[in-house]
Amino acid sequence: GAGVSQSPSNKVTEKGKDVELRCDPISGHTALYWYRQSLGQGLEFLIYFQGNSAPDKSGLPSDRFSAERTGGSVSTLTIQRTQQEDSAVYLCASSSQLAGGPETQYFGPGTRLLVL
Amino acid sequence: GDSVTQMEGPVTLSEEAFLTINCTYTATGYPSLFWYVQYPGEGLQLLLKATKADDKGSNKGFEATYRKETTSFHLEKGSVQVSDSAVYFCALRGGGSNYKLTFGKGTLLTVNP
Repeated sequence: GAGVSQSPSNKVTEKGKDVELRCDPISGHTALYWYRQSLGQGLEFLIYFQGNSAPDKSGLPSDRFSAERTGGSVSTLTIQRTQQEDSAVYLCASSSQLAGGPETQYFGPGTRLLVL
Repeated sequence: GDSVTQMEGPVTLSEEAFLTINCTYTATGYPSLFWYVQYPGEGLQLLLKATKADDKGSNKGFEATYRKETTSFHLEKGSVQVSDSAVYFCALRGGGSNYKLTFGKGTLLTVNP
């Protein structure tokens, strides 16, 4: 079956512009996660969705970052007024809810964002 | 808070050499432990996992044992191949939560023929 997909694969934008990054999780996966991979910080958790709700937004670095999920499926991460330090690879992952067991997170290929 | 410390790379080995990448962790409760691999130009893939103390995860010739007494989850392979060249990430999901992964910084492995 299809894995996690993300679009665009690459995005170049100018400082101050807004960007939207999209994630399509594995069908049937109720949990969705956004992470950021950057040279200086490694892999950082941003936000977690269970269904359409986001119980944990603690990793969002500033109020310029927001995310939503609709229909328990596709999620969009929006970065407003982008800054150069936002340049990174943004990774999305999804997992199913397994009774009594750990939820393995399956990752998408990422969106590489470059802010000029 | 939770944290993962893994051996800094890069690591360069010849084909058929023995590989160890060290990983230690700090976490509350009883975390689950993972190794993810990122091949050049590809996304993160789960390599193996262990959910409780003394569990051994294994896949593709790689192994790691969950050692609670030393809070470690070292990755090993007896004979590496050129195709194993990749970045390896150790990660944990804390016992207090069932979602967020905390990653180490990653170790770049290059295997030469």
